[in-house]
Amino acid sequence: DAKTTQPTSMDCAEGRAANLPCNHSTISGNEYVYWYRQIHSQGPQYIIHGLKNNETNEMASLIITEDRKSSTLILPHATLRDTAVYYCIVRVGAGGTSYGKLTFGQGTILTVHP
Amino acid sequence: DTEVTQTPKHLVMGMTNKKSLKCEQHMGHRAMYWYKQKAKKPPELMFVYSYEKLSINESVPSRFSPECPNSSLLNLHLHALQPEDSALYLCASSQGRQGRNTEAFFGQGTRLTVV
Repeated sequence: DAKTTQPTSMDCAEGRAANLPCNHSTISGNEYVYWYRQIHSQGPQYIIHGLKNNETNEMASLIITEDRKSSTLILPHATLRDTAVYYCIVRVGAGGTSYGKLTFGQGTILTVHP
Repeated sequence: DTEVTQTPKHLVMGMTNKKSLKCEQHMGHRAMYWYKQKAKKPPELMFVYSYEKLSINESVPSRFSPECPNSSLLNLHLHALQPEDSALYLCASSQGRQGRNTEAFFGQGTRLTVV
């Protein structure tokens, strides 16, 4: 699976959009971009994933650049409860030979301030 | 129901003890995972079961022994652990290779302390 690079930490004011970047310059054509977050002492929580098109769900939006070498997770209206470690992961989709591996990098610690 | 249930939530064991961690899901998922997470570090993959067969072992020491008795259950048997094995152990599940949805759901973990 391709490696990802994320900033170590970011701050955001409550109510503002949080934009979390991720670089994955060695991503392969069959690898998806996944985002998870982990709130302190809890299990990681799935947020969103995409292949090449932008994606949106009730939690967040995912913007993937045209060359797929980077992406941005957007939390449109951050709340205090969004304070967590956010992980950007690239992995092969269903049916791929290395499908089972979900490898976490260091992630970004997002702190939302009042 | 998108829940992965892990028991116990906390476990303290001696280095000569044998204990087991349990994980259960009822989402019909056919892939199940064990991860280990040390403090302030990301989760590290240990094992992957696909359709009840061990498909990935990330060179985990033999004192950790996984078992998948059926498609809903995943166990991690522990024997002769060391204090450095103290960590949060996370279980996860996903649909499996044939499923359309590939996101993994995680349990809340078992916090293990080896004394």
